[in-house]
Amino acid sequence: DTEVTQTPKHLVMGMTNKKSLKCEQHMGHRAMYWYKQKAKKPPELMFVYSYEKLSINESVPSRFSPECPNSSLLNLHLHALQPEDSALYLCASSQYVAGANTGELFFGEGSRLTVL
Amino acid sequence: LAKTTQPISMDSYEGQEVNITCSHNNIATNDYITWYQQFPSQGPRFIIQGYKTKVTNEVASLFIPADRKSSTLSLPRVSLSDTAVYYCLVGEGDMRFGAGTRLTVKP
Repeated sequence: DTEVTQTPKHLVMGMTNKKSLKCEQHMGHRAMYWYKQKAKKPPELMFVYSYEKLSINESVPSRFSPECPNSSLLNLHLHALQPEDSALYLCASSQYVAGANTGELFFGEGSRLTVL
Repeated sequence: LAKTTQPISMDSYEGQEVNITCSHNNIATNDYITWYQQFPSQGPRFIIQGYKTKVTNEVASLFIPADRKSSTLSLPRVSLSDTAVYYCLVGEGDMRFGAGTRLTVKP
């Protein structure tokens, strides 16, 4: 199984809602990532988890709250978002984080978020 | 962090070989060079990774000169389905994407 599964594929939420994005992998990878991608822009790194601990937070606003309950799961909790937060949210995993070679990043298909 | 520079866009025709160059002047000793392909509304997909000289797999080749300050992704005999954005990443764990190269393959 070389898949990263993201749910939901599409999410529409109001600015006062609380919702969550979910990411799952069963490749035994110890690093997981959240990216945000706006149209015609490259993926923008948000968070990196290494061995279930948050290792990188790219100064992301607190209305985005990541969680890594176990080595296979990664959540992104959303609260009080703004319309400009509408984007494709991508999850990825890799076998390693630090070291001589991170190895290949495996991406999910993304969750398309629209904030009204 | 090794910053990368790629051409913003490239055009090609079906059946041609396409070479996309990435500059990474401040690459560190431990850094690997990795290329990804991304289609609209999909996650990026790994193409190839290398450290030095030449690497080849079933879809592409990666050429890295001795000074490692640049690299070239070579796609042999492209087809319309190779139209995508191609990203060059350099590093060992931060996995930040540069602007990428938008390749358009024409019939």
